Amino acid sequence: AQSVTQPDIHITVSEGASLELRCNYSYGATPYLFWYVQSPGQGLQLLLKYFSGDTLVQGIKGFEAEFKRSQSSFNLRKPSVHWSDAAEYFCAVLGNYGGSQGNLIFGKGTKLSVKP
Amino acid sequence: DVKVTQSSRYLVKRTGEKVFLECVQDMDHENMFWYRQDPGLGLRLIYFSYDVKMKEKGDIPEGYSVSREKKERFSLILESASTNQTSMYLCASSSVTGTYEQYFGPGTRLTVT
Repeated sequence: AQSVTQPDIHITVSEGASLELRCNYSYGATPYLFWYVQSPGQGLQLLLKYFSGDTLVQGIKGFEAEFKRSQSSFNLRKPSVHWSDAAEYFCAVLGNYGGSQGNLIFGKGTKLSVKP
Repeated sequence: DVKVTQSSRYLVKRTGEKVFLECVQDMDHENMFWYRQDPGLGLRLIYFSYDVKMKEKGDIPEGYSVSREKKERFSLILESASTNQTSMYLCASSSVTGTYEQYFGPGTRLTVT
């Protein structure tokens, strides 16, 4: 069965420092992968996605992610974190529920705190 | 700008009440989804629908039902609300063409007392 693991429940970084959030997936075929961000009390916003081609994908708000098939990973990075990046981040893989494609399988999320 | 709207941001109901959560999308998407989100558990899929009047159970359908009479609207029904259904409920939609990214509503925080 497909699954997504985000090993870090909570990460704290200083403003201006670099960031890497880890995501590992389990999926037999070439996955469609996503990163979402959720600010407190809000819905989820898509940061970036990967489905084919260049394994380094650029997203909104200065985020990027790299797909590594050999490691079954899709880690999210940002070179310099801003205080407004404090939020919860979710990694997801496109699933296949009962033969109907379209559902996403989410990791449990990583909460990011930013120190001034 | 794409839009998924949910009928309420906050809702307080009593145990045993019938609860309706409404979701509307304006993107002509085929797929619609209901999730619940609880601390430490992430997002769990309750039900999804890939067409009008069609539905599929997700991971945690017990205690819930859904209705999709029109393409743009997907309703989640709690037939008899219980305290363990206190949660954040998120609706999403996606297209079957392209890369299937889901667009989310702002969520409804439901408290059952």
